[in-house]
Amino acid sequence: QKEVEQNSGPLSVPEGAIASLNCTYSDRGSQSFFWYRQYSGKSPELIMFIYSNGDKEDGRFTAQLNKASQYVSLLIRDSQPSDSATYLCAVMGTGNQFYFGTGTSLTVIP
Amino acid sequence: NAGVMQNPRHLVRRRGQEARLRCSPMKGHSHVYWYRQLPEEGLKFMVYLQKENIIDESGMPKERFSAEFPKEGPSILRIQQVVRGDSAAYFCASSPGQGGEQYFGPGTRLTVT
Repeated sequence: QKEVEQNSGPLSVPEGAIASLNCTYSDRGSQSFFWYRQYSGKSPELIMFIYSNGDKEDGRFTAQLNKASQYVSLLIRDSQPSDSATYLCAVMGTGNQFYFGTGTSLTVIP
Repeated sequence: NAGVMQNPRHLVRRRGQEARLRCSPMKGHSHVYWYRQLPEEGLKFMVYLQKENIIDESGMPKERFSAEFPKEGPSILRIQQVVRGDSAAYFCASSPGQGGEQYFGPGTRLTVT
């Protein structure tokens, strides 16, 4: 079982819609959770981090964490074509090692 | 405030040569992580360092690969006797503390011919 699992997609949404990206993790003791965006040929860019159960909002982005279900998600409201990228979920495990999912490819259709 | 810097951005080596990849963390960051990314694959953790210490090298192959983060100067990932399978993008990230968010450099694209 992989430490972090994401649906690889591709996920396509029309411009203006809500994009929902999901991630599950195996280490129940994990405490820190991150979402990165990676454009093709570029390096990952930190979008959000969340440590506590519940929702955290930053502009058009909302991260949701449910530790009981070992589930973290990212919602992108009012999706724009410029949001088209691969989104990586990362989890800091109990050994302080970062585990990355393989990413979900998002395409926002104008 | 300058971000994480990596050089070179592109590196071409013939099989059997050595590759040296450099990473300067963000100002104020003393924690450095190295990752490898193959085309169409996810990021694979290699090694985690603090100044003068290797904290976790569990993701790094035991042969041919080494990493350091000296008291002065950048962190260096060294690959000896490169093989074609070493061709990948190597990313460095830094964080202000253990467990904190990581910020990535632009990466070094290594091509082994």
